Amino acid sequence: LAKTTQPISMDSYEGQEVNITCSHNNIATNDYITWYQQFPSQGPRFIIQGYKTKVTNEVASLFIPADRKSSTLSLPRVSLSDTAVYYCLVGVRLRRALTFGSGTRLQVQP
Amino acid sequence: GAGVSQSPSNKVTEKGKDVELRCDPISGHTALYWYRQRLGQGLEFLIYFQGNSAPDKSGLPSDRFSAERTGESVSTLTIQRTQQEDSAVYLCASSLGGQVLNTEAFFGQGTRLTVV
Repeated sequence: LAKTTQPISMDSYEGQEVNITCSHNNIATNDYITWYQQFPSQGPRFIIQGYKTKVTNEVASLFIPADRKSSTLSLPRVSLSDTAVYYCLVGVRLRRALTFGSGTRLQVQP
Repeated sequence: GAGVSQSPSNKVTEKGKDVELRCDPISGHTALYWYRQRLGQGLEFLIYFQGNSAPDKSGLPSDRFSAERTGESVSTLTIQRTQQEDSAVYLCASSLGGQVLNTEAFFGQGTRLTVV
């Protein structure tokens, strides 16, 4: 399974754009990159998933360079409610267990 | 059902007692996962089911922990002779699994286990 590395914590202010980068140097050819969000006292929730280039949905954008050895989750104009832990996962395929790292704790200040 | 359901939501037990935690996955999801999350920490993988079989149980911390799944549906995580170090939130997730590569996992709200 591809190991991921992401910052332990980040701070931001309301209205700012937040970019969280995840490194995954040994990503496999068929692996997808997936990000989950976890609020206190809740289970993780799927945010976005991509394979290459750029993916955008109503919540976030995911940027993946050509070599796919890293990815960046971009949250536009964060609010206080975006305060959560964000997990980067790589390799969600058949018979391979989802493996969560320590995640990035994002604190949004007013 | 509409989502992954776990019961009980909270469980307080005495050290040395056995506990059973239940997970009802989303109907039709063949893959099921159990995780443990200690206070303020990340998710610790315990076991993964594909159908009723467990191809990966590498995360079970000791032989006091066991899990089963029946009818490709409900799963039960059993902890025998509980210890205080077992106190944590136990999370269950399910996904379509099968041949789908880009599967999204859906998590339940978890069972908060407190061993006193």
